[in-house]
Amino acid sequence: AQSVTQLGSHVSVSEGALVLLRCNYSSSVPPYLFWYVQYPNQGLQLLLKYTSAATLVKGINGFEAEFKKSETSFHLTKPSAHMSDAAEYFCAVSGGSNYKLTFGKGTLLTVNP
Amino acid sequence: NAGVTQTPKFRVLKTGQSMTLLCAQDMNHEYMYWYRQDPGMGLRLIHYSVGEGTTAKGEVPDGYNVSRLKKQNFLLGLESAAPSQTSVYFCASSRDSQETQYFGPGTRLLVL
Repeated sequence: AQSVTQLGSHVSVSEGALVLLRCNYSSSVPPYLFWYVQYPNQGLQLLLKYTSAATLVKGINGFEAEFKKSETSFHLTKPSAHMSDAAEYFCAVSGGSNYKLTFGKGTLLTVNP
Repeated sequence: NAGVTQTPKFRVLKTGQSMTLLCAQDMNHEYMYWYRQDPGMGLRLIHYSVGEGTTAKGEVPDGYNVSRLKKQNFLLGLESAAPSQTSVYFCASSRDSQETQYFGPGTRLLVL
């Protein structure tokens, strides 16, 4: 079985501040981990993914995430928030031959001017 | 290259009515998925398909049926709509089970 927990359903930051969105996972096999972003009234778009090649993964729009096996975490960060980063972010896990991608409940990021 | 498209974009149904949501992808992907998104619930998998002619149940399959007669299309049917099926429905496709899933723009369904 696999699951994802996103800590904080809503995160608010000031423009230019650090963005940190937290994700913890559980998986019985080495996981593939994903972060997706959803802008208002749109579908989900891949930000980045971890597939065991490197623990620090860089994605689009300046986001990155670090896989920490000991902490079962895959937190998403961006050094300096931009107004255009306001969106909902979903962490997801996929493990082994399981075809299913299990999503967290999402974190809504608000960026204040 | 349109990616994943969904029709319709928005629909209002009365309880008991039926409808079919169409998903099409032009990336020659083997895997296709239907999800529903509800506030505070994230995305939940309804049904999925690992190839033409195959379908399987996901996390919340009750009240829905699917068909994958052509590789590029994945249909989601509601035989007798209920208010609990009011949601936003997303289709996705991927090359294989571990690859990135590409999502369509969604269909907003309101069941009165």
